[in-house]
Amino acid sequence: DAKTTQPPSMDCAEGRAANLPCNHSTISGNEYVYWYRQIHSQGPQYIIHGLKNNETNEMASLIITEDRKSSTLILPHATLRDTAVYYCIVRVISNFNKFYFGSGTKLNVKP
Amino acid sequence: DAGVTQSPTHLIKTRGQQVTLRCSPKSGHDTVSWYQQALGQGPQFIFQYYEEEERQRGNFPDRFSGHQFPNYSSELNVNALLLGDSALYLCASSHPGVSGANVLTFGAGSRLTVL
Repeated sequence: DAKTTQPPSMDCAEGRAANLPCNHSTISGNEYVYWYRQIHSQGPQYIIHGLKNNETNEMASLIITEDRKSSTLILPHATLRDTAVYYCIVRVISNFNKFYFGSGTKLNVKP
Repeated sequence: DAGVTQSPTHLIKTRGQQVTLRCSPKSGHDTVSWYQQALGQGPQFIFQYYEEEERQRGNFPDRFSGHQFPNYSSELNVNALLLGDSALYLCASSHPGVSGANVLTFGAGSRLTVL
């Protein structure tokens, strides 16, 4: 599975959009981009995933560049409860492929 | 609909002891994975169980072993505990038949402290 690069931390004002970048320059054609987040002392929570098209759900939007070498997770209106570590993961969809979690990005949402 | 449940939530052991952690997967899920998360780090894959067999294993010594039962629940056993085994142990479940995502659903974890 390809590795990802994320900034260690970011700040965001409450109510503003939070844009979390992820670089995955060695991504393969059959690898998807997944985002999970982990609120302090809880298990990771699935947010969204995509292959090459932009995706949106009730939690966030995922923007993947045309060359697929990077992506951005967008939380449109960040709240204090969105303060968490956000992990970007690339992997082939398969029940038997592990998820490789890097160090993630600590998002601090401030009032 | 219950998610992934893990027990115990917290436990303290001493070096050399053995520990067993338990996990019940989300309803409808039949695959269980275990992760170890040291303080300040991301989760590290230990192993995965499907159809009561270990399907994949991460870079962990044989002191780490597991089991999956016919009802899909799972146990993680760690023998000869070391101080470095202190961590949050996360169980995640999934189902191969779910189209698309193969999303993992995580439990809240078992916090192990080795003294």
